[in-house]
Amino acid sequence: ILNVEQSPQSLHVQEGDSTNFTCSFPSSNFYALHWYRWETAKSPEALFVMTLNGDEKKKGRISATLNTKEGYSYLYIKGSQPEDSATYLCASKRNQGAQKLVFGQGTRLTINP
Amino acid sequence: GAGVSQSPSNKVTEKGKDVELRCDPISGHTALYWYRQSLGQGLEFLIYFQGNSAPDKSGLPSDRFSAERTGGSVSTLTIQRTQQEDSAVYLCASSQGLAMGEKLFFGSGTQLSVL
Repeated sequence: ILNVEQSPQSLHVQEGDSTNFTCSFPSSNFYALHWYRWETAKSPEALFVMTLNGDEKKKGRISATLNTKEGYSYLYIKGSQPEDSATYLCASKRNQGAQKLVFGQGTRLTINP
Repeated sequence: GAGVSQSPSNKVTEKGKDVELRCDPISGHTALYWYRQSLGQGLEFLIYFQGNSAPDKSGLPSDRFSAERTGGSVSTLTIQRTQQEDSAVYLCASSQGLAMGEKLFFGSGTQLSVL
């Protein structure tokens, strides 16, 4: 994998259901993996910054895992709420000296009440 | 200010006109980035400033695009002779640097529409 890829591109989930989506990134020269949430008419907001293989991070009902050897990260949302509706972006930073994040296309999540 | 501020929030312009987009980063943040998101695309890196170092311009799509950062603070992205394919949301972000654990703080973006 040369680019950062996210799947699915869009997702509709019933309120109360749990969901997850995937970010695939280049595993070579990996340094860090970022997750951001971008709500309509707002600024993208950082959820997690992950650096270690096997790392798991949690923020309320949202959690993420990281596999740097195979180059993927999962984002999980438990008990989806309407306020979870947003585009979720992941971004990869390669090499310690690299100063830019390469973003995926995002997963657009819509929670149906 | 408390966050990254961008102006204008919306800009409609005619093809061939020049536009200037402004970004005011978080005070004390040495790193400043410009990204854009075109319809159906991911966030595309444009340019990066770090302190007094030469900017990384590797993402600028053409010589019609330029950016400057004055006094290590406010940045202006200029697009000359705008084309319809320049239509996008232009996002500015700042950080203390992407060392381990550092994250980007984004502004709310400028929606540019070129008619």
